[in-house]
Parts: sequence; C-alpha cells; structure tokens
Amino acid sequence: GAVVSQHPSRVICKSGTSVKIECRSLDFQATTMFWYRQFPKQSLMLMATSNEGSKATYEQGVEKDKFLINHASLTLSTLTVTSAHPEDSSFYICSARGGGGREDAYEQYFGPGTRLTVT
Amino acid sequence: AQSVTQLDSQVPVFEEAPVELRCNYSSSVSVYLFWYVQYPNQGLQLLLKYLSGSTLVESINGFEAEFNKSQTSFHLRKPSVHISDTAEYFCAVSRKAAGNKLTFGGGTRVLVKP
Repeated sequence: GAVVSQHPSRVICKSGTSVKIECRSLDFQATTMFWYRQFPKQSLMLMATSNEGSKATYEQGVEKDKFLINHASLTLSTLTVTSAHPEDSSFYICSARGGGGREDAYEQYFGPGTRLTVT
Repeated sequence: AQSVTQLDSQVPVFEEAPVELRCNYSSSVSVYLFWYVQYPNQGLQLLLKYLSGSTLVESINGFEAEFNKSQTSFHLRKPSVHISDTAEYFCAVSRKAAGNKLTFGGGTRVLVKP
C-alpha cells in the first residue's frame, strides 16, 4: 500500500513553454502533498506544501507564480512550471501524506520523480 | 526550526564490510526521524523511522538505526553491505506537530565495492 505515482517520469521542453507534472496517491487519500526539487548530487529542497482544496504554501524563495500547484482532489496534485527556463531543469519529486491522528499518518510517501530538462 | 547534518558526503565500503552513516539533528521540539534511500534517477524509499518507543529501529533488509536523544543523533548501520546497497541515503526529521514538513540532510553516497 501507500503508492505514489508521478507523470511524466521524464520531460523535455523548450524555453518559454509550460509543463505540468502530476502526482497521484494510488491507494490512499492524501490530505497533504509536498513538492520538492533536487539538483544533481544534492539533497531535496521543499518547494511547497499543498492541502486538498486550499492554496499551496510556498517556501521562502519559491516563486508561486512560476510554480503553480493545484490540489483539486484527495488523490491528485499538479505542479505546473510556467515559462520554463534552462535553470528550472531539475528532478522534481512529490510526496503525499494521509490524514488522521495516528503517528503513521505523519509519514510521507514519495513518488518516483520527474526529470525536467528545459532546452 | 530544525536542521539535519550528515557528516559524510561519501562513504566507500567493500562488500560484506560494515557501514555506518552518521546523522545529527538540531531541534527545539520533539521530532520524528527517518532514513530514506534513493537509487539513481528514482524517488525516495523509506528505509526506517523512529516515531516513539524503542530507540533501536530495524529495517527488513538488515539496516538499523538508533535514536540517541542526548547526542541528538540517529546513525544508520548495516553489519554487512551488498553491492545492491550502493545508493544515496538521506536522513530527515519532522516536528511532532500537524503540518509536519521534512527537513533533509545533505545525503550520504554509499559506494559498495566488490
């Protein structure tokens, strides 16, 4: 159980275009989803936290108008990179967390990641 | 705010030898602790976690970690590594509170040599 998928796994786009990445929780309802980016040989940096039905909370330094996050249902969150530039090339990883008060509910389940290359 | 320090960025180790990956954290409140493993071009997989109870936690593939509150550490160990353990390992903490965000360490790359 607790499987999270991402689509696409790899995408190449031209500079100036927008690209959407989907994150789905396949077998549980995710009240909260997180979006991270990871540069080569570096750790994960949290970009934003999204709760179903409400606006995402962005980390300091992350442009909310550039990285649009939508969490329209309990199983789907999307990240749209608008007007992408080569410096946006990175590995984007989502994670999902269920609700409830049990300690296990605080565990995050990670998707397999999406590698974005902007040419 | 909390922070996580993984003291070793790379650990080369021979197959069947033991390995220890060090993780220290700082936080003003109680935390949950996690170790994740990442294989090349993949997402993160949970290796083990400490939420409460016994301070020694084990994974199904031979890894173990011990929570040491006085030293604010959560070191990861395996007594005998395999080639397949070659990967990046991340230590992470989150506050014991709603909206828990994970804070990751910088990662330790383990390279198992034959």
